[in-house]
Amino acid sequence: LAKTTQPISMDSYEGQEVNITCSHNNIATNDYITWYQQFPSQGPRFIIQGYKTKVTNEVASLFIPADRKSSTLSLPRVSLSDTAVYYCLVGYNAGNMLTFGGGTRLMVKP
Amino acid sequence: DSGVTQTPKHLITATGQRVTLRCSPRSGDLSVYWYQQSLDQGLQFLIQYYNGEERAKGNILERFSAQQFPDLHSELNLSSLELGDSALYFCASSVSSGQIGELFFGEGSRLTVL
Repeated sequence: LAKTTQPISMDSYEGQEVNITCSHNNIATNDYITWYQQFPSQGPRFIIQGYKTKVTNEVASLFIPADRKSSTLSLPRVSLSDTAVYYCLVGYNAGNMLTFGGGTRLMVKP
Repeated sequence: DSGVTQTPKHLITATGQRVTLRCSPRSGDLSVYWYQQSLDQGLQFLIQYYNGEERAKGNILERFSAQQFPDLHSELNLSSLELGDSALYFCASSVSSGQIGELFFGEGSRLTVL
């Protein structure tokens, strides 16, 4: 399984764009990149998934460079409610995207 | 609401006891996953079932066991409980074990061992 590395924590302010980068140097050809968000005492929630280039949905964008050894989750104009832990996972199906790692604890300040 | 239901939401018990946590996956999902999250820790994968069969195993202790029933609900059995077993236990489900897809998590069962 591809190992992922993310910053332990990040701080931001309301209204700013936040970019969280995940390194996955040994990503395999079949692997997809998936990001989850977790609030305290709640189950993680799927944010976005991609394979290459850029993916955008109503809440975030995911940028993946050509070598796919890293990916960046971009949250536009964050609010206080975006304070959460964000996990990057790499794998080729739900069955092997099993390891969540430590995640990045994002703190959004007023 | 993810569609995954976990019961009980909270459970307090004593060391040495045994408890059973229950999970009902989303309608149509064949795969169920169990995770443990201790205080301020990441999610530790315990075990996965697909359509009644064990598919993958993580760091699940021998004191813990799980099964998935014909109606696809799953139970996680924790026995000879220790203080260190106090944690949030999450169940997740997905459509399949063999294709790209997202995991849908329940709200968790908080176990406190005194």
